[in-house]
Amino acid sequence: IQLTQSPSSLSASVGDRVTITCRGSRDITDFISWFHHKPGKAPKLLLFDGSNLEVGVPSRFSGVKSGTQFSLTISGLRPEDVGTYYCQQYDNVARTVFFGGGTKVQI
Amino acid sequence: QMRLQESGPGLVKPSQTLSLICSVPGGAIRSGDFYWSWIRQPAGKGLEWIGRITDTGSTNFNPALKGRVTMSVDTTKTQISLRLSYVTAGDTAVYYCAREIISGTMAPYYLDHWGPGIPVKVSS
Repeated sequence: IQLTQSPSSLSASVGDRVTITCRGSRDITDFISWFHHKPGKAPKLLLFDGSNLEVGVPSRFSGVKSGTQFSLTISGLRPEDVGTYYCQQYDNVARTVFFGGGTKVQI
Repeated sequence: QMRLQESGPGLVKPSQTLSLICSVPGGAIRSGDFYWSWIRQPAGKGLEWIGRITDTGSTNFNPALKGRVTMSVDTTKTQISLRLSYVTAGDTAVYYCAREIISGTMAPYYLDHWGPGIPVKVSS
């Protein structure tokens, strides 16, 4: 499985709506997760199962599946949202883990 | 709050073996309710999954690293270890351990807690 994220980077303003997409090289299940990673910190789980918000994650983060593509949307970008976002998927036959290439979000 | 902590040498010589420990608090490993993964991030690059171990010692590895990776659970079931042999400069990265939630069908489901990471440099 290869996960292709787009865009690879973006710059937006505080309050903007930002959408990041993740597409699999072949049909992927709904077991996709999204992470937020800041330099020097542990990656933080935002969403699992494509659209389930992890406990404590603000509701401005949301996820949706459309065909073979998953999207992460930040509704109302805040300064603390800068960093790199990764999608992640499983190959449940081989029980291996794949990450997208990342999307760097700047303000 | 699950606080994972990676530890080990920050510098390893080429061709030698990188050895790291992930300390897991409480009885989380012994409970058998989670799997435990190692992930790394080379400088300027994205995340790469290394492998996974269960409380009983079953493992799955990234095919790209298979043959060089071993993982184990210590007898007290409070630490997970990672060993990567014959390292090269390409193995220079920040290494993370992470807890993995298990689905109802015992498949890996999602990674919910990560350690802060430990930088490891491969250099002579």
